[in-house]
Amino acid sequence: EDQVTQSPEALRLQEGESSSLNCSYTVSGLRGLFWYRQDPGKGPEFLFTLYSAGEEKEKERLKATLTKKESFLHITAPKPEDSATYLCAVRTQGGSEKLVFGKGTKLTVNP
Amino acid sequence: NAGVTQTPKFRVLKTGQSMTLLCAQDMNHEYMYWYRQDPGMGLRLIHYSVGEGTTAKGEVPDGYNVSRLKKQNFLLGLESAAPSQTSVYFCASSYRWGQRLEAFFGQGTRLTVV
Repeated sequence: EDQVTQSPEALRLQEGESSSLNCSYTVSGLRGLFWYRQDPGKGPEFLFTLYSAGEEKEKERLKATLTKKESFLHITAPKPEDSATYLCAVRTQGGSEKLVFGKGTKLTVNP
Repeated sequence: NAGVTQTPKFRVLKTGQSMTLLCAQDMNHEYMYWYRQDPGMGLRLIHYSVGEGTTAKGEVPDGYNVSRLKKQNFLLGLESAAPSQTSVYFCASSYRWGQRLEAFFGQGTRLTVV
């Protein structure tokens, strides 16, 4: 069964304190790994797509990387406005292409 | 650009009542999904569709039905609502092929069953 596990469940940082969020996956065939940001009361907002091991994507203070078993979302010098829940999802292949999500990491950045 | 639009945004139902949630996308996406999001459970897939006229069950399909009569619309129905169906429902859509497989989400429907 396809599984996506995110850690930690919650993370508190001070403004400027860099860290990483982890997404590990077990899937039958990976067609893509996606990172989303979700603010309270809103739908998930797309951030990055990664397709193959070794790939990296960057956007402002965020950098996503991918290996054969996991992905990391690195946050460099975060600001309070980076506070949100970050979701990881995988799109699998093999007859029934589903989009499977992890439970997310709730990030709080204190000023 | 409207993207993915969900109707309604909020709804309160009595146990046993029925309702339909509408999702509309204007990106010509082949795939459409319905998720529910509950505290501590994350996003769980209810049903999905890989094209017009096709639907498939996801992780938690019981108590729900769906239809995809038009490519741009995906309807989620609750025939007899139960309190356990109190949740936030999200619709999403994506391309089937190509280099852009990411899904885009609507703003959600907050449903309360009393």
